[in-house]
Amino acid sequence: EAEVAQSPRYKITEKSQAVAFWCDPISGHATLYWYRQILGQGPELLVQFQDESVVDDSQLPKDRFSAERLKGVDSTLKIQPAELGDSAMYLCASSLETSGVGEQFFGPGTRLTVL
Amino acid sequence: GDSVTQMEGPVTLSEEAFLTINCTYTATGYPSLFWYVQYPGEGLQLLLKATKADDKGSNKGFEATYRKETTSFHLEKGSVQVSDSAVYFCALAQKTSYDKVIFGPGTSLSVIP
Repeated sequence: EAEVAQSPRYKITEKSQAVAFWCDPISGHATLYWYRQILGQGPELLVQFQDESVVDDSQLPKDRFSAERLKGVDSTLKIQPAELGDSAMYLCASSLETSGVGEQFFGPGTRLTVL
Repeated sequence: GDSVTQMEGPVTLSEEAFLTINCTYTATGYPSLFWYVQYPGEGLQLLLKATKADDKGSNKGFEATYRKETTSFHLEKGSVQVSDSAVYFCALAQKTSYDKVIFGPGTSLSVIP
């Protein structure tokens, strides 16, 4: 069964360092999402891609976060510099549909701890 | 803006007990409604959905009915199992392109033998 792949699964870093997360969506899924999930809360959308284009990054802290999906397939989310408040689970999801009503398939996430 | 509210957890039930997790929403128009489930150590997965008023979504013994008049989408299961232990997220999405999914805070369920 096709799955969304993410790496690494866990990342520990010190504040002010740079970190990067990778996501490989299900083949053929044009829509890709990055979410941040703080412990005890629901996922919050950071950025949404349609193919290689960003269609929503309104909640992305652009002074330190960046995301790209150069060939419209896999994607990288970067934080530079990391801050203590960035400790969270970072989830990637993909979907066949452009609207949120389509089923989203989630990867296992990357647990980030900033010391 | 749109929002989702869920009953606070954690919820602890004995095996074979009846489950209800309350969910209410605030939104314009007629959004689609979802329940996603997150098992320990895994990503979220869609459990069920409903796209219009009075629709009932169902899957794996779970059910939820879209109630426009009470803006609710409560999750129910008649007899829970230990394997149902997970975090359950209620969510909504508008039907327009590129509109994002709004998730509730999640409700943790533990089922004990």
